[in-house]
Amino acid sequence: EIVLTQSPGTLSLSPGERATLSCRASRSVSSIYFAWCQQRPGQAPRLLISGTSRRAAGVPDRFSVSGSGTDFTLTIDRLEPEDFAVYYCQQFGSPPYTFGQGTKVEI
Amino acid sequence: QVHLVESGGGVVQPGRSLTLSCGASGFIFGSYTMHWVRQAPGKGLTWVAGMSRDGSNQYYADSVEGRFTISRDNSKNTLYLQMDSLGVDDTAVYYCTRATGDGFDPWGQGTLVTVSS
Repeated sequence: EIVLTQSPGTLSLSPGERATLSCRASRSVSSIYFAWCQQRPGQAPRLLISGTSRRAAGVPDRFSVSGSGTDFTLTIDRLEPEDFAVYYCQQFGSPPYTFGQGTKVEI
Repeated sequence: QVHLVESGGGVVQPGRSLTLSCGASGFIFGSYTMHWVRQAPGKGLTWVAGMSRDGSNQYYADSVEGRFTISRDNSKNTLYLQMDSLGVDDTAVYYCTRATGDGFDPWGQGTLVTVSS
């Protein structure tokens, strides 16, 4: 099983600032089988952006990804109020598919 | 518009069974691998089970292997999760989601399963 470890657990920032979220895998993951999803309070998760930088429908270009192999980063430029949420990294290369424990971006 | 709607959740006693359903619309259901993911109260996301497009392959997390059965009816655009021998650790919101080349998209709104005596 590929274990995904996210850091930090919580990120306290203000609107307009940049958020940098990290995800480390216990072994190498191909970018084509890696993604980030977002979960706002009280809502279901939604796909945000793939490991190959393909944004889901409606996701602004303030969201970007970088990294490969075992280290991936999600960057959110110019935080907007709706960006304060929990973010999960995910690998879906082969089962068991796994998620990181989440990073909460809070004001 | 792609849409997934889960149903069948509720309160069930430990050791009992429950079957969840996920109705799909807005896409060719039989063309996609489908998954169940759960989220215990206040916790993160945990993948539970997945099934290939034609139902020929099923995949399970170790924690549910032998107790849960995933199935689908492509003629009814519906995914199922039969859950047997439920324990308190199975208490969670269960989400249905579609596998795409970019990740799991979309997700349903979830259905809450509470295992309690």
